Amino acid sequence: DSGVTQTPKHLITATGQRVTLRCSPRSGDLSVYWYQQSLDQGLQFLIQYYNGEERAKGNILERFSAQQFPDLHSELNLSSLELGDSALYFCASSGLLAGVDNEQFFGPGTRLTVL
Amino acid sequence: GDSVTQMEGPVTLSEEAFLTINCTYTATGYPSLFWYVQYPGEGLQLLLKATKADDKGSNKGFEATYRKETTSFHLEKGSVQVSDSAVYFCALTYSGGSNYKLTFGKGTLLTVNP
Repeated sequence: DSGVTQTPKHLITATGQRVTLRCSPRSGDLSVYWYQQSLDQGLQFLIQYYNGEERAKGNILERFSAQQFPDLHSELNLSSLELGDSALYFCASSGLLAGVDNEQFFGPGTRLTVL
Repeated sequence: GDSVTQMEGPVTLSEEAFLTINCTYTATGYPSLFWYVQYPGEGLQLLLKATKADDKGSNKGFEATYRKETTSFHLEKGSVQVSDSAVYFCALTYSGGSNYKLTFGKGTLLTVNP
């Protein structure tokens, strides 16, 4: 158990809908990262937050947004969902601004299926 | 941009066989390199890492050496077990600055049969 929790574990929804994925980092970790894992694109970095502020952006679509709250949990919002958004979404956390010595701890993921 | 290429699986081995999973990278700077493992139904776990050229990372019998001249970080294990069955990801990142994201390879599924 990494200490990172993600809810829900599974989510099935229809095209055009909006969903929210939730992540609680390890106790004391300030950085949260979101990754998308799909069959065709593999594992891709979406976005990073550090202590409530956006720190880095990757291949995140404009239909997607995220935030980190004062209690450090984070939410990833996906809107106007398309079939291609079906994927496993991982959250990871690390203690400080992650560098080499600050390992990223991954949650179990949320599997999103868009029908 | 940065990228990681690893051998595509699936790889199927018998217990006690020797394992090699190839990984090469393209990077603009001097990255640190990682191997992550994903067991069925779980998130990713860091398996080993190397922060500079010629470093060898090792853990649980797995090893990988950071080869700058060949831009490679191949994963090896001398004798695999059934419990090693998982998906293995090679990844890179940088220290310092704001490039903290992990760039992953596509993953290699390893199945070890008894």
